[in-house]
Formats: sequence, structure tokens, C-alpha cells
Amino acid sequence: DAKTTQPPSMDCAEGRAANLPCNHSTISGNEYVYWYRQIHSQGPQYIIHGLKNNETNEMASLIITEDRKSSTLILPHATLRDTAVYYCIVSGNQGGKLIFGQGTELSVKP
Amino acid sequence: ETGVTQTPRHLVMGMTNKKSLKCEQHLGHNAMYWYKQSAKKPLELMFVYSLEERVENNSVPSRFSPECPNSSHLFLHLHTLQPEDSALYLCASSRQGARRNEQYFGPGTRLTVT
Repeated sequence: DAKTTQPPSMDCAEGRAANLPCNHSTISGNEYVYWYRQIHSQGPQYIIHGLKNNETNEMASLIITEDRKSSTLILPHATLRDTAVYYCIVSGNQGGKLIFGQGTELSVKP
Repeated sequence: ETGVTQTPRHLVMGMTNKKSLKCEQHLGHNAMYWYKQSAKKPLELMFVYSLEERVENNSVPSRFSPECPNSSHLFLHLHTLQPEDSALYLCASSRQGARRNEQYFGPGTRLTVT
């Protein structure tokens, strides 16, 4: 079973920030939080990952709470092309094994 | 373009056919994966190859037979499939042992078993 909990769907207005939450209350000390997204009928795409510090790259920002039991993926200026299913996954960094849940279906609307 | 290619992109096969799916990665990775994604279901990990050795087989039926001849190529041989095997089959690769271990996915093969 997936070790994360995400809302099944969210809407966001184009140009606004999309904040996608994820709960991972059973995360262990050596597990990272990964985010992937899957645009319809394509392969999943890596977005970002982190251990305990907040992370930012050209695609998104990842905010991890101090107790590491939850995190938020932030797309700062959502576009229509960001419409996808977003997956939050916890995994040991060396193991390579990803267990996908149902994810959050983000719809960006004009 | 992720550096992981899959062929064919679409495949229709009868239950008595034998076919193979091919995956190739151009990223210098040392681990490769097969996933299955059925309609309305999460991705399911099928097989993991690390340094060309199979390190994981998630109770996949024997009608699916993987092959990893080298670190850049991965095959999934299919025979006597069932209609419920119709799904999107995704290949991924990663660099195990590196600090960043993200997986890169191919576009998938859409398989329909008739």
C-alpha cells in the first residue's frame, strides 16, 4: 500500500499558485519525499524530491514540515499544461523502488 | 523527451500471440523497471533490474517474461495474455547508488489484448 495520502482532485486558476498537499505520517528517517506527475496517457515525469529541507527547482517548490509528516508541492504560476495527476511518494533514496498511489488530479482552468 | 524510448507505442494482440515490448535508455543509468498501469488504477511495479540482474519480481504471472541483455535495453516478452492484461506498460530507468535517484519514464506501450 502507498504510504502517502493525497486529495483525489483539485482545481486551480491559470496563473495562480497551485498548492498540492501530501500526508506521510509514517515516513522513516532515511526516506525521501518524491513528487512526480503524469499528463494524460504519458509516462510519469519527475518533479522534485527532498529529505527535510525545503527544495526549489525550475518546475516547483517542495515544502516539508519540520516533523516531516506532511509536505506541499507548489507550482508558483500554474498553466493549462500543468493539468495532470500529481503523485507524492516516499522512498529510500538508494532503493529506487517507487510505490504509486492514486495521486491528486489537478485541473488548471482558464 | 526523457531519454527513455519504448516501442511499439501501441500494440494489439490476440491471446495466442507472442510479442515483445522494447525499452531503451540513453542516460547511462544502471537500473531499469517495468510498470503496468491499468485503467483507473495506480502504477504497479512489475520488475526491477539493477546492473542487469533482476532484483525484484512483484508476483507477476509467468506469461510476462522480462529480459535485460545490457544496461541500456530492457524487453518484456508476452505470450498467451488475457484480456485483463490490456494496459499501459511503462519502462523507467535510474542511477542506483547516486544521491539523486529519480526515475525517468518512457512514453509507454498501450497494449490491447483481444
